[in-house]
Amino acid sequence: EIVLTQSPATLSLSPGERATLSCRASQSVSSYLAWYQQIPGQAPRLLIYDASNRATGIPARFSGSGSGTDFTLTISSLEPEDFAVYYCQQRGNWPLTFGGGTKVEIK
Amino acid sequence: EVQLLESGGVLVQPGGSLRLSCAATGFTFSNYDMSWVRQAPGKGLEWVSTIRGNGDTTYYADSVKGRFTISRDNSKNTLFLEMNSLRAEDTAVYYCATRNWNYGGASDIWGQGTMVTVSS
Repeated sequence: EIVLTQSPATLSLSPGERATLSCRASQSVSSYLAWYQQIPGQAPRLLIYDASNRATGIPARFSGSGSGTDFTLTISSLEPEDFAVYYCQQRGNWPLTFGGGTKVEIK
Repeated sequence: EVQLLESGGVLVQPGGSLRLSCAATGFTFSNYDMSWVRQAPGKGLEWVSTIRGNGDTTYYADSVKGRFTISRDNSKNTLFLEMNSLRAEDTAVYYCATRNWNYGGASDIWGQGTMVTVSS
């Protein structure tokens, strides 16, 4: 099973700041990595697929990068609605796995 | 409107059984692989199971293999999860979600979730 480790667990930032979230895989997943946003009480929302492609309707302030074992989600300038929990997920191997999540909170 | 609507979540005793349903509207259901993902209270997301669009292949997490069965009825645009030998650790919100190969197999459509509580 591929283990995804997300860091940091919590990121405390102010609106307008840049957020950098990391996801590290225990073995290569090529570019088969997605990022999701989850606001408490809501279902997850797809942001990025295949490491760097924004899903339809996702603002340009969200960007993804990386391949192999190291991936990054960047939010260039935090908006109030971006404070949420973010998860990475790999589809490189069965079973599909999620990272433990990074909570982006208001400082 | 594109939508997934789960149902069937209830309070059940340990060792009991339950069947969850997920009704799809607004898209061609049979064209999509479908997954179940769960989230225990206060915890992260855990993939549970996936079924191919035509229903011929299924995949399971080790934590549910042999106890849970995923299936689908494409004529009724409905996904199912049969859950047997339930344990306290199966307590979670269960989401159904598409696997959209236009998005590299990621899940772009999610239901609102249905709560399963396993407790005596």
